[in-house]
Amino acid sequence: NAGVTQTPKFQVLKTGQSMTLQCAQDMNHEYMSWYRQDPGMGLRLIHYSVGAGITDQGEVPNGYNVSRSTTEDFPLRLLSAAPSQTSVYFCASSKELGYNEQFFGPGTRLTVL
Amino acid sequence: QQQVKQSPQSLIVQKGGIPIINCAYENTAFDYFPWYQQFPGKGPALLIAIRPDVSEKKEGRFTISFNKSAKQFSLHIMDSQPGDSATYFCAARDTGNQFYFGTGTSLTVIP
Repeated sequence: NAGVTQTPKFQVLKTGQSMTLQCAQDMNHEYMSWYRQDPGMGLRLIHYSVGAGITDQGEVPNGYNVSRSTTEDFPLRLLSAAPSQTSVYFCASSKELGYNEQFFGPGTRLTVL
Repeated sequence: QQQVKQSPQSLIVQKGGIPIINCAYENTAFDYFPWYQQFPGKGPALLIAIRPDVSEKKEGRFTISFNKSAKQFSLHIMDSQPGDSATYFCAARDTGNQFYFGTGTSLTVIP
C-alpha cells in the first residue's frame, strides 16, 4: 500500500493564480481531510469528507474548495491564491469518522508570491 | 483562538534525558488526546494517545500523563535518543470528531 500520497511536493504560485493540490489514498478509508501547517500555529483543519459525495468545512475553509467524487481522491482547490495561503498542506485519512488514527501524507509546500 | 495550548516551543536534552512536553485545553467535551511525531519533510504520524478516563498510558519509552481536573496532559520520553529528535504535536478531538492541534514542540536530543 502506498498509503496517502500528495502531489505536487512543492509549488510556487503568483497571487491570483489557481491550482489544485492532489491527495489520494489506497486504504479504502472513508474519512479524508486537509490541514494547513503554519509556524507557531500547528495544524488547522481546512475541509473534510466523511465519504464520496460528502464534504464539510473545518476551522479555516475560506479560499479553498474541495470535492470527493471517489473514495480514493480528495483534491483541494485554490481558486485565487493569496500570499496568506503560503503554507504546508497535509492530507490525512482514517478508516471512518470518529476512528482514532489519522494517516498523513508527506505534504505539499506552497508559496504564493 | 488556540483550542489546545502546547509548551515549550522547543526543547534540547542530552541523550538519556527525559523531555516533557505539556498541553492544556479548555473544552471539556474533548474525548480523545493523541500525540503525533513529525520528522522534517514528512507528515505527522500517530505516536500514542489517551482517553480522559485514564490518567496514564505507556507505550515503550513514551508515556502520556493526563490530569482531567486540571485539563492538562503531557508527553514524557524516557531514555531519549537522538532518533527521537523531531517535532511533537498534541491534539484533541471534539464531539464533532474534529481534531485541534497544539502549536508543536521541536525536540533535539544531543548525543
